[in-house]
Amino acid sequence: QSALTQPPSASGSPGQSVTISCTGTSSDVGGHNYVSWYQQHPGKAPKLMIYEVSKRPSGVPDRFSGSKSGNTASLTVSGLQAEDEADYYCFSYGNNKNVFGTGTKVTVL
Amino acid sequence: EVQLVESGGDLVQPGGSLRLSCAASGFTFSNYWMHWVRQAPGEGLVWVSRINGDGSSTNYADSVKGRFTISRDNAKNTLYLQMNSLRVEDTAVYYCARDRDLYPWGQGTLVTVSS
Repeated sequence: QSALTQPPSASGSPGQSVTISCTGTSSDVGGHNYVSWYQQHPGKAPKLMIYEVSKRPSGVPDRFSGSKSGNTASLTVSGLQAEDEADYYCFSYGNNKNVFGTGTKVTVL
Repeated sequence: EVQLVESGGDLVQPGGSLRLSCAASGFTFSNYWMHWVRQAPGEGLVWVSRINGDGSSTNYADSVKGRFTISRDNAKNTLYLQMNSLRVEDTAVYYCARDRDLYPWGQGTLVTVSS
């Protein structure tokens, strides 16, 4: 049950965009559309930001968007704001395999 | 309001046991798969286990298989995680979360395994 691969860090200035990748295999990310993304601020519980690859829960700003190509899912944060600085994790839900990504720390410069 | 509240975390010696609880409210508990996820200090999120709505189907991460048991009491709207043969590396904040999108999450409960 190896973790999905994410870059350890990403950064951008306020107003810019940042994209985080989440690479798996055809057995997880590439095999279905149940990929979700979570934001976690220090000392807090994770918060759902994207589900089923590209759907946004109510209350999540439309600056957050998700996509997938093959075995790699991506989260894009457009128009970066100071409050977007956090750790981000992807998650793949499957019948036989449930696995998180390694996590990416997003810094707003 | 949909809410999950974990409890039961504590300091326990290696080899010991602990049972975590997750009290659910604001939704029909028995209709949903439920998950346990953990996060060691300074580390990332790790999926631990899941259980279906009526408790008849369970899955575990390899790292806890044979030592942890997930269960639920739908009459009490409560999810459990029985943790036996605890190891130092099981030290983490344990979260419960609902359904395949893991929404919402509880606030977490800290389990510390140390002598």
